[in-house]
Amino acid sequence: DAGVIQSPRHEVTEMGQEVTLRCKPISGHNSLFWYRQTMMRGLELLIYFNNNVPIDDSGMPEDRFSAKMPNASFSTLKIQPSEPRDSAVYFCASTRQAVGLSYEQYFGPGTRLTVT
Amino acid sequence: KQEVTQIPAALSVPEGENLVLNCSFTDSAIYNLQWFRQDPGKGLTSLLLIQSSQREQTSGRLNASLDKSSGRSTLYIAASQPGDSATYLCAAPFGNEKLTFGTGTRLTIIP
Repeated sequence: DAGVIQSPRHEVTEMGQEVTLRCKPISGHNSLFWYRQTMMRGLELLIYFNNNVPIDDSGMPEDRFSAKMPNASFSTLKIQPSEPRDSAVYFCASTRQAVGLSYEQYFGPGTRLTVT
Repeated sequence: KQEVTQIPAALSVPEGENLVLNCSFTDSAIYNLQWFRQDPGKGLTSLLLIQSSQREQTSGRLNASLDKSSGRSTLYIAASQPGDSATYLCAAPFGNEKLTFGTGTRLTIIP
């Protein structure tokens, strides 16, 4: 399996622009997670989906952030408008889950976002 | 709320030595704990996942233990090598499947 795929790997944009990050989870995984990592705050969960349905978006910082999962093999995280404080590495992770069981989360390589 | 702490933040040891990384968590009602490795500028690589019914897991030179009653986990690395240099993070779930991550221990193996 190719693992979790994220694109782009690097994104540099100007403040106010819209940014869309993409993720393809591992085939067969039914849960998908978006994380943000910064030096100051470490790794934070933004939102996660189970069977394409958003379960918990309490980590999404503001209304400027939105995430979708239109099907089992694709998810997007959008920031509109972007601000310099959004600069971070954004990771996508996936896992398979069943009632009463838990499995390892597998992470993508991340998208390094720089907003100037 | 789950809080995960890793001490020390950084550790340097000579090559060949055995070492232990520590992780503590506040909510002991967890059903697993996961250890990750992160190389500079890279994503996270899962090393070991310990289910709540287990006390330890082993993979090669790595051994992770879990003591739910005391809210602690350790990652033991035997016969350390320069290639083991990385940041090691532990993560414990909070609520359903949400993971709370520690801030990591940056490990440097000195050749």
